[in-house]
Amino acid sequence: QVQLVESGGGVVQPGKSLRLSCVTSGFIFSSYGMHWVRQAPGKGLEWVAVMWYDGSIESYVDSVKGRFTISRDNSKNTLYLQMNSLRVEDTAVYYCVRDYDTSNYDYFDHWGQGTLVTVSS
Amino acid sequence: SSELTQDPAVSVALGQTVRITCQGDSLGNSYASWYQQKPGQAPVLVVYGRNNRPSGIPDRFSGSRSGNTASLTITGAQAEDEADYYCNSRDSSVNHWVFGGGTKLTVL
Repeated sequence: QVQLVESGGGVVQPGKSLRLSCVTSGFIFSSYGMHWVRQAPGKGLEWVAVMWYDGSIESYVDSVKGRFTISRDNSKNTLYLQMNSLRVEDTAVYYCVRDYDTSNYDYFDHWGQGTLVTVSS
Repeated sequence: SSELTQDPAVSVALGQTVRITCQGDSLGNSYASWYQQKPGQAPVLVVYGRNNRPSGIPDRFSGSRSGNTASLTITGAQAEDEADYYCNSRDSSVNHWVFGGGTKLTVL
């Protein structure tokens, strides 16, 4: 079965860096676009970043552009999110999410359990 | 950037029908997908595309679209349907995705 397991969260001071990992299994990782979605405590879902199945395209929400970098290693079936210059407002649970893309629409069909990032001094 | 607007809260009597709406310009040319999230859990896909459900999602969940508004309808709401519901769509022009603010569904 499809599994997405995030790790790397923790408590970090403002301005510092953190790298999240998402190890996947149960599907052909190199065939799927992958996203990071986050949820601040008590708030709604926010899309953060996407990387195409082959790494050719990446895109970010404006609030993290220039600070966060999404990447993937298809040989290790792993997705990453490098987060630099962290801010208090980046505090959230970060979910790794698989994108299922058809010719007419796409959707997020599998989600990890999330990893909590807390940015605090 | 595109935005999706949802009512913050909706309630429904047990066994009755409820519609949760999602409004946004991007919905005029793309389908919304809908996610259910219960406290302390990751979101779960419930409806996608024109009106499709993943395996394991009860057929009381359905989706529709009219103009710039997408709707999630639960026909015969059950106690276990009490949750937060989020819509999502893609803005293909900038390769961004956006979620609605979420609707908290209470089953009375």
